[in-house]
Amino acid sequence: EVQLLESGGGLVQPGGSLRLSCAASGFTFSSNSMSWVRQAPGKGLEWVSIISGSGATISYADSLRGRFTISRDNSKNTLFLQMHSLRAEDTAVYYCAKKVAPGTPPCFDYWGQGMLVTVSS
Amino acid sequence: EIVLTQSPGTLSLSPGERATLSCRASQSVNSNYLAWYQQKPGQAPRLLIYGASSRATGIPDRFSGSGSGTDFTLTISRLEPEDFAVYYCQQSTVSSWTFGQGTKVEIK
Repeated sequence: EVQLLESGGGLVQPGGSLRLSCAASGFTFSSNSMSWVRQAPGKGLEWVSIISGSGATISYADSLRGRFTISRDNSKNTLFLQMHSLRAEDTAVYYCAKKVAPGTPPCFDYWGQGMLVTVSS
Repeated sequence: EIVLTQSPGTLSLSPGERATLSCRASQSVNSNYLAWYQQKPGQAPRLLIYGASSRATGIPDRFSGSGSGTDFTLTISRLEPEDFAVYYCQQSTVSSWTFGQGTKVEIK
């Protein structure tokens, strides 16, 4: 059974930093691209970033590039999102999501339960 | 960046009725790269449709997707009580993914 478990969220002051983790199990982690998607309170889904299985290819949403860094540790089956210079508008539930296997039309077939990040003084 | 616009914002229907949700792209999208998700309050999104028209594993056949180019549609043939939720379309390119703003299907 595929499981994605986020951790590391919480309350942080504006300008602060936070690192989210997503522990994966139930599939061959290193073979799948992984992504972060966020959802501000009462709002829609916003794609944040994606990283290939090897970690060699990374993309970010234009609005977030430079403040957020995605990475992964395939030896520990864990995905990370390092966030810097956090702003109130970064307040959201952050989901990690697994991209389907290569060769399948791209989409996210499994999602974590989400982790709330609140940026406030 | 490709912008996806979903309509209507809210759809008020009764159980048993047919729901038709629209997703329009600001430029042509490869049909293989268009997906639909369902999200219920307090839950993570769930994949419904990928490749514009293929149902994900375990998705009932009352859900269907269609479309090409810039216009895509999600149809729920007969609404069940558990189908009242928010629905998002999503597209991807080599380096960018975007979601529509969502359509809420609510009980009339």
